[in-house]
Amino acid sequence: EVQLVESGGGLIQPGGSLRLSCAASGFSVSGDYMSWVRQAPGKGLEWVSVIHAGGSTFYADSVKGRFTISRDSSKNTVYLQMNSLRAEDTAMYYCARGPNSDSWGQGTLVSVSS
Amino acid sequence: EIVLTQSPATLSLSPGERATLSCRASQSVTKYLAWYQQKPGQAPRLLIYDTSNRATGLPARFSGSGSGTDFTLTISSLETEDFAVYYCQQRSSWPITFGQGTRLEIK
Repeated sequence: EVQLVESGGGLIQPGGSLRLSCAASGFSVSGDYMSWVRQAPGKGLEWVSVIHAGGSTFYADSVKGRFTISRDSSKNTVYLQMNSLRAEDTAMYYCARGPNSDSWGQGTLVSVSS
Repeated sequence: EIVLTQSPATLSLSPGERATLSCRASQSVTKYLAWYQQKPGQAPRLLIYDTSNRATGLPARFSGSGSGTDFTLTISSLETEDFAVYYCQQRSSWPITFGQGTRLEIK
């Protein structure tokens, strides 16, 4: 059974950094396409970043240069390193599997506030 | 960036009725259009991918159609568990984008 579990969210001051983790089971993150998607409180979905099986990465313009997606095959985990955080980054962050995002984690909440 | 516009913003219907949700793209996304359902406090759930392919285990009352720039999600006979927010998403080109959502509420 495919399962994704996000962690690492929390309250952080503007300008700070956080690293989110997405621990996967039931498949290999190295052989799949993994995405991060976020949802600000009361708002819609916003795609953030993706890492392809071959290692290529893509980012939304709103996070380019501040966020970095990576993976650790030995831990079967995908990460989202978030630097220079802003109030507008406040959201629930979900990881999702595959080009069609057929499996999602439960999300981890990031709050950026002084 | 491809902009997806969903209509209507809110749809009020009764159980047993047919629901038709629309998603229009600012340029062609060929067939790479997906639909997701989200209930309060839950993660989104994939319903339809590549325009018309149902996700594993999805009831047959859900169907997707369209091509190019105009797409439709149809729920043939609403069940109480279908009342939720629905999003379309395109993966034809970067960045991946979502529509703003359609809220399907009980009338």
